[in-house]
Amino acid sequence: EVQLLESGGGLVQPGGSLRLSCAASGFTFSNYAMSWVRQAPGKGLEWVSAARGSGRGTYSADSVKGRFTVSRDDSKNTLYLQMNTLRTEDTAVYYCAKDIGGSFAYWGQGTAVTVSS
Amino acid sequence: EIVLTQSPATLSLSPGERATLSCRASQSVSSYLAWYQQKPGQAPRLLISGASNRATGIPARFSGSGSGTDFTLTISNLEPEDFAVYYCQQRSDWRYTFGQGTKLEIK
Repeated sequence: EVQLLESGGGLVQPGGSLRLSCAASGFTFSNYAMSWVRQAPGKGLEWVSAARGSGRGTYSADSVKGRFTVSRDDSKNTLYLQMNTLRTEDTAVYYCAKDIGGSFAYWGQGTAVTVSS
Repeated sequence: EIVLTQSPATLSLSPGERATLSCRASQSVSSYLAWYQQKPGQAPRLLISGASNRATGIPARFSGSGSGTDFTLTISNLEPEDFAVYYCQQRSDWRYTFGQGTKLEIK
């Protein structure tokens, strides 16, 4: 059974940093691209960043480029999102999702990030 | 960036009716067009991948169609549990975008 478990969310002040983690199980992690997708309160879904398996590349939305860094440790079956210089508009639930053929077949339960003074 | 535009923003229907949701892309997308259902407080659930392939466990009343820039999600014979928000999504050159969503509400 595929499981994705996010952690690391919380309350942080504007300009601060936070690191999210997504622990994966139930599949061969290194074979799949993984993404972070966020959802601001009352808003739609926004793709944030993706990391392909086995070091084949990372990608980020323009809205977070230069501030967020996605990475993964295939030996630990874990996806990360390092978020720096956080802004109030980064407040959202952050989901980890598994990419199968370009669509997100599996999602975690999400971890909430609140950026506020 | 490929922009996905969904219409209508809100669709009001009754159980038993047919729902037709539209997703239009700003340029042609490959087969990486997916549809998701999201209910309050829950993560999205994949319904359709590759424009027309139902995901595992998705009832046959959900169907997807389209190619190029115009795609449709059809839900026939609406059940009470189908009232939710629906999103389309694409991947191109390892960039992903979502539509803004269609809220399907009970009339």
